[in-house]
Amino acid sequence: RKEVEQDPGPFNVPEGATVAFNCTYSNSASQSFFWYRQDCRKEPKLLMSVYSSGNEDGRFTAQLNRASQYISLLIRDSKLSDSATYLCVVNRGDYKLSFGAGTTVTVRA
Amino acid sequence: SAVISQKPSRDICQRGTSLTIQCQVDSQVTMMFWYRQQPGQSLTLIATANQGSEATYESGFVIDKFPISRPNLTFSTLTVSNMSPEDSSIYLCSVDDTAGGYEQFFGPGTRLTVL
Repeated sequence: RKEVEQDPGPFNVPEGATVAFNCTYSNSASQSFFWYRQDCRKEPKLLMSVYSSGNEDGRFTAQLNRASQYISLLIRDSKLSDSATYLCVVNRGDYKLSFGAGTTVTVRA
Repeated sequence: SAVISQKPSRDICQRGTSLTIQCQVDSQVTMMFWYRQQPGQSLTLIATANQGSEATYESGFVIDKFPISRPNLTFSTLTVSNMSPEDSSIYLCSVDDTAGGYEQFFGPGTRLTVL
């Protein structure tokens, strides 16, 4: 089983829509969770850290369910600029990170 | 967060040769890492670059193939040795300067093509 599994998508949504997707992780010792955004041919950039049950940053909401070992990301009022690959990232119980394969989101006009 | 630069940004190399990639950070950081991102794949950790000691390699990666240096807290190099076309990837360095937050920030990457 992979350490981090994500729905690859693609999610193709109109501007203004809400889109949500999940990620599951296998290591119950993981304590820190992140969503990174990666644009085509660019490096990953930290979008949000998820340290407790979840948190919100503007149009983005991340939720963590430790019992079921999954993390979700919800994007409200989608913008064209939200088109990207979203990487679910989990701390392995040490200082190292495991990356999911990414969920591709395309927002269309 | 720290500003990270990498050189070269891209290169095309012949099989059997070696390439050294540099990663420079604008501030001292404790943890530096090297990743590989193969075409269409997510990131795979190659090793942790330890200042003043040998790098710590992940399963499947060995020092002979990917020697790493970390002479100080702001600089590291990764060498891809005896390259083959399977080494064609993006190589990224990252740093964790969040004092236990485990957040990592990435350099812009080096796009390597091996012919």
